[in-house]
Amino acid sequence: EAGVAQSPRYKIIEKRQSVAFWCNPISGHATLYWYQQILGQGPKLLIQFQNNGVVDDSQLPKDRFSAERLKGVDSTLKIQPAKLEDSAVYLCASSLVAGGDTQYFGPGTRLTVL
Amino acid sequence: GQNIDQPTEMTATEGAIVQINCTYQTSGFNGLFWYQQHAGEAPTFLSYNVLDGLEEKGRFSSFLSRSKGYSYLLLKELQMKDSASYLCAALGPLNSGGYQKVTFGTGTKLQVIP
Repeated sequence: EAGVAQSPRYKIIEKRQSVAFWCNPISGHATLYWYQQILGQGPKLLIQFQNNGVVDDSQLPKDRFSAERLKGVDSTLKIQPAKLEDSAVYLCASSLVAGGDTQYFGPGTRLTVL
Repeated sequence: GQNIDQPTEMTATEGAIVQINCTYQTSGFNGLFWYQQHAGEAPTFLSYNVLDGLEEKGRFSSFLSRSKGYSYLLLKELQMKDSASYLCAALGPLNSGGYQKVTFGTGTKLQVIP
């Protein structure tokens, strides 16, 4: 079974530039999560999709972050414009169902904003 | 809201036993996850407790007391490869989409020394 795929693995940009991350979840997983993990901290949920609908985006900075999951499969997370404090690892995870189900994480994208 | 506390760092000796504690204050609590995260890698699932008591899985065991808002992860016969961060994550309450939120703690960085 293929795992969660993410790209790119690393990205370096300057502040005020834009960046996009891509995630392809495990086949058949209805729930997709985007997390931000700052060094030394636990993952912080940015947005959760159930199929192609958003079920939680309460911690997404909507003035600069956006995400979509067209067709309920792969997803894109965008930051525009980036700030220095956005430097973090962006993790995508998927689970078969929402709630009390194991989340499978992708390798993450390490973003550095200069 | 949710509040999850774990020690920041722990050190233990190869071959020994270590207990990593996690306390939580989560409304609508419905379960507790433990994930392992090696440096520079994605979190991987270790255990999920819903009911009170101890669940054993090889060298790893996880305990939950719902009345005390307390969980621990017990690692036996420590190996050098167990050096990693251990994240506890609480399930609950419902998000705006009607699904239960998973909130991660900041993680406990375990160093196993010879």
